[in-house]
Amino acid sequence: NAGVMQNPRHLVRRRGQEARLRCSPMKGHSHVYWYRQLPEEGLKFMVYLQKENIIDESGMPKERFSAEFPKEGPSILRIQQVVRGDSAAYFCASQIRGGEQFFGPGTRLTVL
Amino acid sequence: DQQVKQNSPSLSVQEGRISILNCDYTNSMFDYFLWYKKYPAEGPTFLISISSIKDKNEDGRFTVFLNKSAKHLSLHIVPSQPGDSAVYFCAAKVGGATNKLIFGTGTLLAVQP
Repeated sequence: NAGVMQNPRHLVRRRGQEARLRCSPMKGHSHVYWYRQLPEEGLKFMVYLQKENIIDESGMPKERFSAEFPKEGPSILRIQQVVRGDSAAYFCASQIRGGEQFFGPGTRLTVL
Repeated sequence: DQQVKQNSPSLSVQEGRISILNCDYTNSMFDYFLWYKKYPAEGPTFLISISSIKDKNEDGRFTVFLNKSAKHLSLHIVPSQPGDSAVYFCAAKVGGATNKLIFGTGTLLAVQP
């Protein structure tokens, strides 16, 4: 049973470009969380999704950030018009209902 | 507003000795606490957890203690091994629909051979 997969592992974008981060949850997991880790900080919750639904997006910046988890395919975290402050490690975690969250290896975004 | 705090950024311990990692929290609504271990360039790995109705949970070399009145928890690793060297994150959650985790800033543990 493969773990949580994230791609790309490393992503470099110039200011103003778009970044798309993908997360494939563990088999049978229908709950996905996205977290962001800025340098020298802990992980900060961004958004919680179930298939086709956003359950809690209280940690998402109001502008430029969006997330989806379609019926088929991976969850996508999309950042439009990236700025240098978006440089961070973005982690996805998946869960079955009531279970522990299992984390992927992360995507390290660098904005030049 | 840092609701979960790990005040020691780093800790160095000799192999075979006990490692004690500490965590404080401010939100009395937290009802479940977890410890995660993280190696560089990898995602956090779940280690051990404790419900707020308990004061101790043990799993092999790892024991978590919870002091609700002091809003403090600690992770004990004994005996410590070089492979335990990693960043340890304390996390907490409030029961309910979301299950989102609130993380501390982490403690880098170095176990010296």
